[in-house]
Parts: sequence; structure tokens; C-alpha cells
Amino acid sequence: SAVISQKPSRDICQRGTSLTIQCQVDSQVTMMFWYRQQPGQSLTLIATANQGSEATYESGFVIDKFPISRPNLTFSTLTVSNMSPEDSSIYLCSNRRSSNMNTEAFFGQGTRLTVV
Amino acid sequence: AQSVAQPEDQVNVAEGNPLTVKCTYSVSGNPYLFWYVQYPNRGLQFLLKYITGDNLVKGSYGFEAEFNKSQTSFHLKKPSALVSDSALYFCAVTPSGNTPLVFGKGTRLSVIA
Repeated sequence: SAVISQKPSRDICQRGTSLTIQCQVDSQVTMMFWYRQQPGQSLTLIATANQGSEATYESGFVIDKFPISRPNLTFSTLTVSNMSPEDSSIYLCSNRRSSNMNTEAFFGQGTRLTVV
Repeated sequence: AQSVAQPEDQVNVAEGNPLTVKCTYSVSGNPYLFWYVQYPNRGLQFLLKYITGDNLVKGSYGFEAEFNKSQTSFHLKKPSALVSDSALYFCAVTPSGNTPLVFGKGTRLSVIA
């Protein structure tokens, strides 16, 4: 199984500021995904991050608000920009292995963000 | 577009009794189906998956799920529930091996001693 390290695990931020979340995978993966889980809700896909190209965003999410970097096959960052209380959520990164597309997705432990 | 329905927000079961958490899906083509569990302040942990083969799949912690193509269902089951099984359970689907998972809204399982 892949090990995904995500940090910070939690943060409390002032509105109007930005937070960058880091996701490190212990092996090379083709695709990484960023999800948001709002309080009491399911996981919603924010974007797919491929190495060497711009991230692909889902409807309702834009690059200016959630810029993503994917500098190599083991690392990605998600920035939550100009935060408001509505951005308070758990943010999770996920991946599927490049060597076997039939595998399950693995998840980091999540970043619990509170915007005050 | 694919979707997952988990019709129950909450399932309560007595310890030692069998449990079922329901999931139905909609996807074009053959589905890749998954169950995950989330404990408080933890990330998602993989339980089991159906890709192809036997309709009954066995996973971690004694859980199993049955793929039913005609009913487009993938219900999670366990013969004897434990208090430690209390958590939030998510069903997920994807239409292929290189696309992100789409999740249901989750079902909170409460096992009562």
C-alpha cells in the first residue's frame, strides 16, 4: 500500500490569508487528487493533479482559489487562497498507483482547516 | 456521470448482530467499486474493492460486500458487529482505473454494546 503524508494535520487561520497543504507519497504515482470534506458531508473532488501539466479542476473550483502544484511524481501542494469561514473543511489528498490502475485509492490523513 | 447513493445516514446495530450498510451506484460501463471507513480525526482507510471476478468480496476487519449488477448495488456486510466498528463508512465508484473516485454521502454506523 502507498503511504501518504499530509501536513499540516490541522490549522486555524484568519480570513483573507492563504494556507498551503503538502502531500508526500512514498512512491511514484501518476495521478494525485485533492478532495474537500465539509463538516458532516461527503468527499468532493476539487482537482486532479498530474505531473508536468496543469491541474484539472472540477465544476465549482477554480485555480485562483485553489492553486495546485505537482513538481514531481511523489509530491503535490494545494493552496487555499483568500480564505473565508466557508472554506473550513477537511482537505484530503489521494492517489492511485501508476503501475496498476486496478488498485484502490490511498488517502492522506487529511488537513482540518478552520477559518476564523 | 457516475454517482453513488447511500440511502441511510445512520445505521444502529447491537454488538454481535449482523450489519449491512447499503450502497447503490450509477456508472457507464463496468464499475470499480470501493468501501472506505473514516474514524474520528483520521483519514480514509480502504476496506475492500470490486473490480472483476467473484461478486462477493472480502476485505479488512471481517467486512465483505456483494456486487449485484442487476440491482446496481454493493452493500457492505459483516456477520457480527463490534463496538469498534462504529465509524463513518463511504461507498465509492469510478468507471475506470485511472479516474478519481466518486463518493457517496456516507453512513454513520453505531454499534451498541
